Amino acid sequence: QKEVEQDPGPLSVPEGAIVSLNCTYSNSAFQYFMWYRQYSRKGPELLMYTYSSGNKEDGRFTAQVDKSSKYISLFIRDSQPSDSATYLCAMSPNNNAGNMLTFGGGTRLMVKP
Amino acid sequence: GAGVSQTPSNKVTEKGKYVELRCDPISGHTALYWYRQSLGQGPEFLIYFQGTGAADDSGLPNDRFFAVRPEGSVSTLKIQRTERGDSAVYLCASSLTGPLGDTGELFFGEGSRLTVL
Repeated sequence: QKEVEQDPGPLSVPEGAIVSLNCTYSNSAFQYFMWYRQYSRKGPELLMYTYSSGNKEDGRFTAQVDKSSKYISLFIRDSQPSDSATYLCAMSPNNNAGNMLTFGGGTRLMVKP
Repeated sequence: GAGVSQTPSNKVTEKGKYVELRCDPISGHTALYWYRQSLGQGPEFLIYFQGTGAADDSGLPNDRFFAVRPEGSVSTLKIQRTERGDSAVYLCASSLTGPLGDTGELFFGEGSRLTVL
């Protein structure tokens, strides 16, 4: 079993829908949680960064962390065709330790106009 | 340049050949990382440089893989005796380093897509 599990999708939604993306993990040492967006044939780019449990909102994006359930979510409101990409969750036991990041396999999202 | 630059963008080679992949990080970023992303998977950590030295090479899969960063800027990932299982996208990322040695947000390049026939 992988340390970080993520449904690969694809997830297809109509424009304007609310999207929910999720990851589960098994390592209780993870304290820092990130969501990356990766367009086709591009590198991942950081979308959201949260520490420990709780919610964080940035525009149309909301990240939630539930450490008791080892479950994290990314919500996208008013989804746009430009949101079509692969979304990767990533976790680390230490702050901004790029050598300790564990990524999920990614969920491919398609937003149809 | 404005972002992390990786060359070549695509490389096709035959089993057993030697390959070099180059990464030019964002100017001023002292931390540099190599990740490998197989098809349908998330990136997996290979090696981390702080300046010229490899601070953590625990992700390198075996001794066929080696990376250098001789002047603390450009880095080269070297793969000897390539195998079909080495086929993947090799991503490079760079970040700033704080005064306490903590590293900041990772900025990824577009990757080098390696295909071993």
